[in-house]
Amino acid sequence: GAGVSQSPRYKVAKRGQDVALRCDPISGHVSLFWYQQALGQGPEFLTYFQNEAQLDKSGLPSDRFFAERPEGSVSTLKIQRTQQEDSAVYLCASSLGDRGSTDTQYFGPGTRLTVL
Amino acid sequence: SQQGEEDPQALSIQEGENATMNCSYKTSINNLQWYRQNSGRGLVHLILIRSNEREKHSGRLRVTLDTSKKSSSLLITASRAADTASYFCATKRNSGYSTLTFGKGTMLLVSP
Repeated sequence: GAGVSQSPRYKVAKRGQDVALRCDPISGHVSLFWYQQALGQGPEFLTYFQNEAQLDKSGLPSDRFFAERPEGSVSTLKIQRTQQEDSAVYLCASSLGDRGSTDTQYFGPGTRLTVL
Repeated sequence: SQQGEEDPQALSIQEGENATMNCSYKTSINNLQWYRQNSGRGLVHLILIRSNEREKHSGRLRVTLDTSKKSSSLLITASRAADTASYFCATKRNSGYSTLTFGKGTMLLVSP
């Protein structure tokens, strides 16, 4: 079956531009996570959805970052007025269970964002 | 912020040798997981060990967990060139949501 997909795979933005990154989780997965991975570092948590509800957004670095999952399936991470420090790989993951579950998280290939 | 610290940061071995990577973490956990990441396949889950377990095996992988020392190790036996990748440990807290906290990773290079 299809895994987690993300688009675009690569995005180059000029500083100050807005970008939108899309995540298609595995069908039927309740939980969806966004992570940010800087070069040479491990992924860092950004935000968590259970179905359409955004239950944890404690990892979003600033109010320029916004995520949504309006129908409990596809999710979009939006970054407004991009800055050079936003350059990173943005990873999406989904898992079958809900909050507190120990289900395996399945990761997408990521979107590599470069802000010039 | 990242909870785990893996060491070594980089490891270079020959095919057939064993590779050992270590991970330390800071807070109490529900479980600890190891992931592999390479450019071809993204981040892939390898193995999960729960806080009440001390050792777990999966194929050529062996994971140990010492909660008193807040540390874990991943052993890959009889390594292959295809094992070349970055390896990350990730912890799940006892409370709250299923969020994972990753370490900085170990880059493993296996030469033919």
